Amino acid sequence: QKEVEQDPGPLSVPEGAIVSLNCTYSNSAFQYFMWYRQYSRKGPELLMYTYSSGNKEDGRFTAQVDKSSKYISLFIRDSQPSDSATYLCASHTGGFKTIFGAGTRLFVKA
Amino acid sequence: EADIYQTPRYLVIGTGKKITLECSQTMGHDKMYWYQQDPGMELHLIHYSYGVNSTEKGDLSSESTVSRIRTEHFPLTLESARPSHTSQYLCASSDPRGDYEQYFGPGTRLTVT
Repeated sequence: QKEVEQDPGPLSVPEGAIVSLNCTYSNSAFQYFMWYRQYSRKGPELLMYTYSSGNKEDGRFTAQVDKSSKYISLFIRDSQPSDSATYLCASHTGGFKTIFGAGTRLFVKA
Repeated sequence: EADIYQTPRYLVIGTGKKITLECSQTMGHDKMYWYQQDPGMELHLIHYSYGVNSTEKGDLSSESTVSRIRTEHFPLTLESARPSHTSQYLCASSDPRGDYEQYFGPGTRLTVT
């Protein structure tokens, strides 16, 4: 079983839609939960991270972690064509190793 | 924008050749990483370093080697390239505040023919 699982998509939405991206994880020791965005032919860049359970908001983006169900979510409000990218969820125990999901490809149509 | 650089960006090379993928960062980060990424797949950690003269193998079995003689430089070498090495190689470094925040280079897309 993969430690972090993510639906690969692709997910296609119209501009302005609310996007929901989700991951599940299996390791109860994970403490940090990250979302990276990766544009085509680029390296991933950190979008947001949360520690333990709860919500975190940054502009149009909201990250949500539910440790009881081992569920990680990223919501994008008022999605824009520039949000079209692959979104990787990742988890970390607080030690050294980061586990990445395979990514969900998102297309926002103008 | 993160100051982490990788060269070359693209490389097509024949089987059996020795290659070195370069990675440099100007942020003074002690921790650096090499990942392998195939389309639609997770990033797999192949090597990491805690600092100068410290290197370790990651989870993914790799025939590559790395060195860390200077803080800013973390090259990856394949002694004899094979078609199975065809992949995207990503270098990253982590912020001193925590390993959860990694800065990635643009990647090297390697094709071995």
